[in-house]
Amino acid sequence: AQSVTQLDSQVPVFEEAPVELRCNYSSSVSVYLFWYVQYPNQGLQLLLKYLSGSTLVKGINGFEAEFNKSQTSFHLRKPSVHISDTAEYFCAVNKNTGNQFYFGTGTSLTVIP
Amino acid sequence: NAGVTQTPKFQVLKTGQSMTLQCAQDMNHEYMSWYRQDPGMGLRLIHYSVGAGITDQGEVPNGYNVSRSTTEDFPLRLLSAAPSQTSVYFCASSYSRQGRTEAFFGQGTRLTVV
Repeated sequence: AQSVTQLDSQVPVFEEAPVELRCNYSSSVSVYLFWYVQYPNQGLQLLLKYLSGSTLVKGINGFEAEFNKSQTSFHLRKPSVHISDTAEYFCAVNKNTGNQFYFGTGTSLTVIP
Repeated sequence: NAGVTQTPKFQVLKTGQSMTLQCAQDMNHEYMSWYRQDPGMGLRLIHYSVGAGITDQGEVPNGYNVSRSTTEDFPLRLLSAAPSQTSVYFCASSYSRQGRTEAFFGQGTRLTVV
């Protein structure tokens, strides 16, 4: 079985400061990793994904994440956040079955002016 | 392309009532899923389908039924609504092809059971 742990439920950060949202996973098989963002009262939108290849993945809106197999982590980073980045962020894993995406409990990012 | 369309966006039910949440996708994805989102619990999988005529249970299936008669549609039925089913429900469609996979989500249905 897969599980996903997002260590921080809430992360406040000042505008233009860097941010890291942490995600760890456990799985007995190789998985694909995803970060989704949810703006208030909206659905989930894909930020980035790691399927194979380079462990540093770049996504939309200036976000990037690094896959670390030895630490089973997939932390999300942005060097300088904007007010518009205020949202809920979800880490997810999938066994490349196309279905059964397993989500973490989410991290609420609040950017302070 | 509309992507994944969910209706209704909001619904209030009385305890014991039944209803169907609709979900349709126009991307010809073989996989579709229903999740519920509750504060502090992330998204939990209710039911999923790997193709027309094939469905299976996820983590929290009790109190819900699904069917998949076509590739496009995947309705979720609440048989007898309970206050514990107050939640935000998301439908997703996804694919798996040549080492690539991704899920696309609808805008959600906010359900309140009183």
